[in-house]
Amino acid sequence: DTAVSQTPKYLVTQMGNDKSIKCEQNLGHDTMYWYKQDSKKFLKIMFSYNNKELIINETVPNRFSPKSPDKAHLNLHINSLELGDSAVYFCASRHTGGSGNTIYFGEGSWLTVV
Amino acid sequence: SQQGEEDPQALSIQEGENATMNCSYKTSINNLQWYRQNSGRGLVHLILIRSNEREKHSGRLRVTLDTSKKSSSLLITASRAADTASYFCATGPWGSGSARQLTFGSGTQLTVLP
Repeated sequence: DTAVSQTPKYLVTQMGNDKSIKCEQNLGHDTMYWYKQDSKKFLKIMFSYNNKELIINETVPNRFSPKSPDKAHLNLHINSLELGDSAVYFCASRHTGGSGNTIYFGEGSWLTVV
Repeated sequence: SQQGEEDPQALSIQEGENATMNCSYKTSINNLQWYRQNSGRGLVHLILIRSNEREKHSGRLRVTLDTSKKSSSLLITASRAADTASYFCATGPWGSGSARQLTFGSGTQLTVLP
């Protein structure tokens, strides 16, 4: 039973291309995130959505555009890919009610820009 | 900015030994969490300790929290080869309500040799 699933797992693409990563969670959570993990394993939040509304938008180039069609999905579209975009992108979700602090992560999408 | 920093960055031990990882953070917190990331996988929540707790146990895991020193430690007893992974501390939550987020460090890479 996959809780947070994201596709594709691996993506190799050329500079300048546009690509999307999809994410879905079946946990009934109301908040979803995109995190970026760099080559040094530092994990940094990019976006957060709550019930389809953008809540957190860290300093991320506007080439990155998240889209949440419903609270179970949060997709990430990247325009004009650059070499520096190569990283692992993690989708995650959380239930904001009560003391819910645990974040559930997807398996990651390895993006390589060549 | 990065809130939690793990120490050491890498740790290599023999199976059966104990592994201790440390985390330091900069500002006051509500809770501190530890996550594990196996190679090529997403992060998995291990344990949460609240700011009013000093120690917590879960199976072979023991977490301590010293809010006066703004530090935490994760002890894994009787380590196994399967414990080989990166371990992250996460602090927070920052923000309020649905804007809450966790801030992660760059992790400790633990290698348990058989």
